[in-house]
Amino acid sequence: EAGVTQFPSHSVIEKGQTVTLRCDPISGHDNLYWYRRVMGKEIKFLLHFVKESKQDESGMPNNRFLAERTGGTYSTLKVQPAELEDSGVYFCASSQGGTGGNEQFFGPGTRLTVL
Amino acid sequence: AQSVTQPDIHITVSEGASLELRCNYSYGATPYLFWYVQSPGQGLQLLLKYFSGDTLVQGIKGFEAEFKRSQSSFNLRKPSVHWSDAAEYFCAVGAWSSASKIIFGSGTRLSIRP
Repeated sequence: EAGVTQFPSHSVIEKGQTVTLRCDPISGHDNLYWYRRVMGKEIKFLLHFVKESKQDESGMPNNRFLAERTGGTYSTLKVQPAELEDSGVYFCASSQGGTGGNEQFFGPGTRLTVL
Repeated sequence: AQSVTQPDIHITVSEGASLELRCNYSYGATPYLFWYVQSPGQGLQLLLKYFSGDTLVQGIKGFEAEFKRSQSSFNLRKPSVHWSDAAEYFCAVGAWSSASKIIFGSGTRLSIRP
């Protein structure tokens, strides 16, 4: 069974440009999460989808970040316009949830560099 | 407040030596504890997890962790490290009973001395 996949693996853009990151969760996982690690800091939660609905978006830094999960399958995270401080590694994770516990499976991450 | 503390930013050990990485947590509910590893250029891989039962948990790659409720700790150990263990290690805590965010520590970078 395929794990969580993320695209692209790396992205280098200039300040002010737009970037869209994609995450494909494990098939059948209703829960999808976005996390981010900026240089040298801890991995921080951004938001949580249950199917196509945003369950918790308390970690989204500002309104330049827009996450969607159309149809409850893959998710996109758009940054528009990108700023220098947005550089970091963006991780996506998915979990089955429910009584099975909250084990989250992580993707390889997208390394975003804003110049 | 919910938090995870990894007091060691960077640790260097000799190959074949034992290893212990420290982790303390603060969590209001019953914690679901994890250790993840990120090797250079790789994603986050789950080493082990703990919710209940035996407080000594075995994981992959020869790692184990011990849950100590009285100390709010979940330290990671390995009796003999290999050069391939060089990576960054993250302790994390989440809720067992609901699908919700995981809170990570700031990570400990492990270097192996030949």
